[in-house]
Amino acid sequence: DTGVSQDPRHKITKRGQNVTFRCDPISEHNRLYWYRQTLGQGPEFLTYFQNEAQLEKSRLLSDRFSAERPKGSFSTLEIQRTEQGDSAMYLCASSSSDPASGNTIYFGEGSWLTVV
Amino acid sequence: AQKITQTQPGMFVQEKEAVTLDCTYDTSDQSYGLFWYKQPSSGEMIFLIYQGSYDEQNATEGRYSLNFQKARKSANLVISASQLGDSAMYFCAMRRPSGGYNKLIFGAGTRLAVHP
Repeated sequence: DTGVSQDPRHKITKRGQNVTFRCDPISEHNRLYWYRQTLGQGPEFLTYFQNEAQLEKSRLLSDRFSAERPKGSFSTLEIQRTEQGDSAMYLCASSSSDPASGNTIYFGEGSWLTVV
Repeated sequence: AQKITQTQPGMFVQEKEAVTLDCTYDTSDQSYGLFWYKQPSSGEMIFLIYQGSYDEQNATEGRYSLNFQKARKSANLVISASQLGDSAMYFCAMRRPSGGYNKLIFGAGTRLAVHP
């Protein structure tokens, strides 16, 4: 169990550029989530995948945001035409649908985005 | 609407003493789950403890215990014998039953500082 890993950990980009974040969940987890956390706030739900299917998207996820999980393993979150308001930490999390595994959701260390 | 309230923006505690972090929640669901996470400055959300709404006993995990008062809709975290490494942000979160998966709603967090 290597935990949830995210890459890159930090990204500084100019307004208008595109950025992509990658998340590798815990290997046996079929559920994957993206959250966004701004300074001084708790994380907010963005989207959820079960295997490769994206089953829910928050209204926070504007048309400039797209998330994929092509083979039901790693996931990417792309932000197009970044704006300064996109500056935040993007957290990935994973869990198992197996009831025997309990209710724990494991988070990664997050990807910090700064749009200048 | 589901909501988590953490009324203490910051808390101070002396090393080796116990501290209680408050959390109240609002939901009309009968089945729900409550989580506490620790977020050090590195950004990773570390799972601490979980309480299901139907669990009759308060959850405990090592030095962490959850004081669950269902009628009051409160789920306070108690940390016994505080250590310097406990200094971090602490988030209370509620799992919404939404299509069978764990969508979390977070509070704004409490920053805990442990003094030697």
